[in-house]
Amino acid sequence: GENVEQHPSTLSVQEGDSAVIKCTYSDSASNYFPWYKQELGKRPQLIIDIRSNVGEKKDQRIAVTLNKTAKHFSLHITETQPEDSAVYFCAASNAGGTSYGKLTFGQGTILTVHP
Amino acid sequence: GAGVSQSPRYKVAKRGQDVALRCDPISGHVSLFWYQQALGQGPEFLTYFQNEAQLDKSGLPSDRFFAERPEGSVSTLKIQRTQQEDSAVYLCASSLAGLAGVQETQYFGPGTRLLVL
Repeated sequence: GENVEQHPSTLSVQEGDSAVIKCTYSDSASNYFPWYKQELGKRPQLIIDIRSNVGEKKDQRIAVTLNKTAKHFSLHITETQPEDSAVYFCAASNAGGTSYGKLTFGQGTILTVHP
Repeated sequence: GAGVSQSPRYKVAKRGQDVALRCDPISGHVSLFWYQQALGQGPEFLTYFQNEAQLDKSGLPSDRFFAERPEGSVSTLKIQRTQQEDSAVYLCASSLAGLAGVQETQYFGPGTRLLVL
C-alpha cells in the first residue's frame, strides 16, 4: 500500500519568514495530494490540494508543488504569521480503480511561528 | 451549512468495556471515512462507506472494531472489549462523491478522544 514520509517533524520560524514542508510517497498510482492544518484539539482542515495533472498551485501565501517523477510534493508558506502555528499533515490518495479516495497521511510537522 | 459532527467528544472507558462513537456527516455526502489518530501521529484509515455499503474495511485493526451506516447517513463505530492500545482520537470524514476515480475533498469532524484505562 501507499506510504507517505513527511519532513521535518518540527519547524520553527520567525514571523515573516517562509516555511517549507516536504513529503514523499511510494505509490506511483497516487494522484491527489491534500494538505491539512490541525490546531490543538481541533479537526484537520484542508488548506490546499493538488492533483497529478498539475505541477504547482498557489493560494495567497500558500503554495504546493508536485514532482511526480521523484514522487515528492512540498508545502510552501510565505510571510508566516503566528496564527500559522499548527500541525500540518500531507496526504496522498489514488481515486482510480476500486479505490474511493482513502487518504494516507504523513506523520505531521509541528510549525511554530515566533512573533 | 453544518459541518461533520461527532459525539461524544470525549469518552473514558475501562478496559473491557464496549464503546460506540457516532458520526453525522454533511447532509447529502455519499462517502464516509473513519480514521484513527494516535497521539502525535497522522490519521490512519479504518473503513469506508459509500451510502450504506461498507466497501473497504481493510484498516480495522481487529475484529473488535465494527462500523455501520444503516441508512446511508449517520455512522457508528463500535469497539468491543476495549484495550489500552485503542486509546486515540477517532476522526470521521465525509465527501460528496462516491464514484471510483473521482476525488472529492474530505471534510473532517472534530473527533472523539477515547481513553481506555
